[in-house]
Amino acid sequence: GNSVTQMEGPVTLSEEAFLTINCTYTATGYPSLFWYVQYPGEGLQLLLKATKADDKGSNKGFEATYRKETTSFHLEKGSVQVSDSAVYFCALSDQGGANNLFFGTGTRLTVIP
Amino acid sequence: DAMVIQNPRYQVTQFGKPVTLSCSQTLNHNVMYWYQQKSSQAPKLLFHYYDKDFNNEADTPDNFQSRRPNTSFCFLDIRSPGLGDAAMYLCATSRSPGQSYNEQFFGPGTRLTVL
Repeated sequence: GNSVTQMEGPVTLSEEAFLTINCTYTATGYPSLFWYVQYPGEGLQLLLKATKADDKGSNKGFEATYRKETTSFHLEKGSVQVSDSAVYFCALSDQGGANNLFFGTGTRLTVIP
Repeated sequence: DAMVIQNPRYQVTQFGKPVTLSCSQTLNHNVMYWYQQKSSQAPKLLFHYYDKDFNNEADTPDNFQSRRPNTSFCFLDIRSPGLGDAAMYLCATSRSPGQSYNEQFFGPGTRLTVL
């Protein structure tokens, strides 16, 4: 079946620190992989995505590479800002059906000045 | 801008009193989803519509129903809300299914409080 395992939080970093949030997945077929971000009190926003092996998704300084050999999609950012404080969800979308998303449990990131 | 709109943003209801949450979209997407998200948890899919075809998740309680009168609107009806139904309810849309790269676009959510 499909599942996503995500690094547990919370994660607290100082401003300008390097961020890694680990994500691994189990899937049948060839899923697409996503990182969604949820700011306090809001819905989910797509941060980045990758649709096939070795693709790198990037947005707002965040990056993640679709690694089929390690079934991973780790999120990284070289220098975090206070405004990056949010909950980050890793997700996969299966190939068939209605693009159902399988979410990880979410990682809360707090960046302190 | 094309978007997913949810109304109201905050809803308070009483135990057992029916409540309806609304979602509309200007993206002209075929698929609309409803998720329930409890505090500090991942969103949980309740059901989705592919055009007029309704698809219920196996573990969605009967207390939750949905209607999609047209492409743009979708409603979530909770017939008899219990205290355990207090949560954020998220609506999302996507293009035609079958392509895993079709991302889902989420609305801002409706936070439901049950007194």
